[in-house]
Amino acid sequence: QQQVKQSPQSLIVQKGGISIINCAYENTAFDYFPWYQQFPGKGPALLIAIRPDVSEKKEGRFTISFNKSAKQFSLHIMDSQPGDSATYFCAARVESGANNLFFGTGTRLTVIP
Amino acid sequence: AAGVIQSPRHLIKEKRETATLKCYPIPRHDTVYWYQQGPGQDPQFLISFYEKMQSDKGSIPDRFSAQQFSDYHSELNMSSLELGDSALYFCASSATSGSRNTQYFGPGTRLTVL
Repeated sequence: QQQVKQSPQSLIVQKGGISIINCAYENTAFDYFPWYQQFPGKGPALLIAIRPDVSEKKEGRFTISFNKSAKQFSLHIMDSQPGDSATYFCAARVESGANNLFFGTGTRLTVIP
Repeated sequence: AAGVIQSPRHLIKEKRETATLKCYPIPRHDTVYWYQQGPGQDPQFLISFYEKMQSDKGSIPDRFSAQQFSDYHSELNMSSLELGDSALYFCASSATSGSRNTQYFGPGTRLTVL
């Protein structure tokens, strides 16, 4: 049972464009929502994370939008670059609990020059 | 900065053999997590340890066991290997203070079962 649903499965964006990846969850106990970036053959690397007490968090070209009532959150990559081409995973965790991450199914982003 | 170290990076085994994967967490991290990532799949949580005690268990087969040692490194032991065990195995570590449990992943061990 996939606790975090992610879409799209793959995404192709022109250089300079905006990449948008969406995630949804059901478990209202989740209170920490990180995004991980993974290059082929490498481990996931934390990109940005948000907690439900804010609706948006921005770090450089990366922004998370969070809608608590809809139980949805999304990653926006502004001015997408070919170097951003990777697989992106959203995840969720209960911080006060066991802390293991539940991952979305991943989005393979390709940014074409 | 020091990262999570995993060894070996690649491992090839035959069916029914055993394998041991090792994980060395970031210094001063007291929690270790193991994840399994099949081809084209998302990482699935297997098991975690905090201060050398098992803290949570996910979808880990009974054929697998793990432990965390006094120096905080962890080992994942896999027996009676099956073809379906072929995957990337990631270890992640976190500290229970300061960075509020951010998990940092290692580079993974690619296990191939023939």
